[in-house]
Amino acid sequence: QSVLTQPPSVSAAPGQKVTISCSGSSSNIGNHYVSWYQQFPGTAPKVLIFANDKRPSLIPDRFSGSKSGTSATLGITGLRTGDEADYYCATWDSSVGGVVFGGGTKLTVL
Amino acid sequence: QLQLQESGPRLVKPSETLSLTCDVSGGSISGSHYYWAWIRQPPGKGLEWIGSFHYSGDTYYNPSLKSRVLISAHTSRTQFSLRLNSVTAADTALYYCARRVVVVVPGTATYWYFDVWGPGTLVTVSS
Repeated sequence: QSVLTQPPSVSAAPGQKVTISCSGSSSNIGNHYVSWYQQFPGTAPKVLIFANDKRPSLIPDRFSGSKSGTSATLGITGLRTGDEADYYCATWDSSVGGVVFGGGTKLTVL
Repeated sequence: QLQLQESGPRLVKPSETLSLTCDVSGGSISGSHYYWAWIRQPPGKGLEWIGSFHYSGDTYYNPSLKSRVLISAHTSRTQFSLRLNSVTAADTALYYCARRVVVVVPGTATYWYFDVWGPGTLVTVSS
């Protein structure tokens, strides 16, 4: 059972937009920055978003992040089949005293 | 460019100790803005943070594993290790080492993220 709650799966058609939610509490998302990671099968995760809404330089602007209260959201526009992957949110949890990850969301581009 | 590579036994017997090393190439673990972490992923499941350390000695562990875990730096400053004792089948996982960059923004909170990951190594606990 993850401290951060993500939907197990989301799906959308190519070219469409999808959002992935990450729900937490005041001990984690509510008071700490959120990062998002993309993981393809058999490979290590890669950071997509950090500090809630910032993108590393090589990440296209089709990927966006936002945070409101105790929830964070990853948005992906102009979906491509190559976006099919697992997506994880992460943040610090003051109660746990460490890093916590969401359970992960599998994105299917139909 | 910094690269990380995990190494160690791929098969560990129940009740024994899992030991892994992360080789840091293209840099060292001495940077003040970095923590060095171990993260694992059981087959078909999500990511679990095991712990992180800073070269100054500051160390954090996942409370659920804290009694069995030790993360430490090698004197070479280009390697760090994970030791997990009394392992069971539940410890079978893909183990990653990763760098966590920490950015202090004056006047606001600190943010961080895992910016470099090793490829991961699968460790199986079985007799």
